[in-house]
Amino acid sequence: QVQLVQSGAEVKKPGSSVRVSCKAFGGTFSSFAISWVRQAPGQGLEWMGGITPVFGTTKYAQKFQGSVTITADGATTTAYMELSSLRSEDTAVYFCGVGSLDGTSEYWGQGTLVTVSS
Amino acid sequence: DIQMTQSPSSLSASVGDRVTITCRASQGIRNDLGWYQQRPGKVPKRLIYAASSLQSGVPSRFSGSGSGTEFTLTISSLQPEDFATYYCLQQNSYPLTFGGGTKVEIK
Repeated sequence: QVQLVQSGAEVKKPGSSVRVSCKAFGGTFSSFAISWVRQAPGQGLEWMGGITPVFGTTKYAQKFQGSVTITADGATTTAYMELSSLRSEDTAVYFCGVGSLDGTSEYWGQGTLVTVSS
Repeated sequence: DIQMTQSPSSLSASVGDRVTITCRASQGIRNDLGWYQQRPGKVPKRLIYAASSLQSGVPSRFSGSGSGTEFTLTISSLQPEDFATYYCLQQNSYPLTFGGGTKVEIK
């Protein structure tokens, strides 16, 4: 069983950056595929990007190219999502999710609320 | 990018009803599709993976079918705890894309 614990809520000014962490307890971190998904208030789920450490690959949705950076640290079993040039439209709950490479297992973090407000 | 069109966007149903939700992909995605349930204020929970495989621990009243471009999630007998929003997610190619969601409400 895998448990994901995300960092706490953040309040940011427009134009600043935010980094959200996602620490994994249990499982084999290097064998996961890690995704970041966000959900704006009252809206649906939006895939932002993901990283597969064992393959050394990172993918981003085109919408977030250049503004989001996803990394993973195997030593601390922690993934990070950094979003820059924040705007009010980036106010959302940000979720991390990890899946086994065979696709049969999947786990989610509890979500992190990021509020962008002047 | 692959577009996922989910229908209906909302539905009203009664406890015990059979409910069907559909997702259509803009191009073929084999069976690389998952279905998720999200209750208000909660974390999404995957119900189905690989289009038709039931996630461990998920009740058997949930089932998925389809391949290529047409997919269906069926709840055979709706229970009170099933009132939620459901999403499909294609995992065939990057970027991964969600359907717009189906809100299942109590009639």
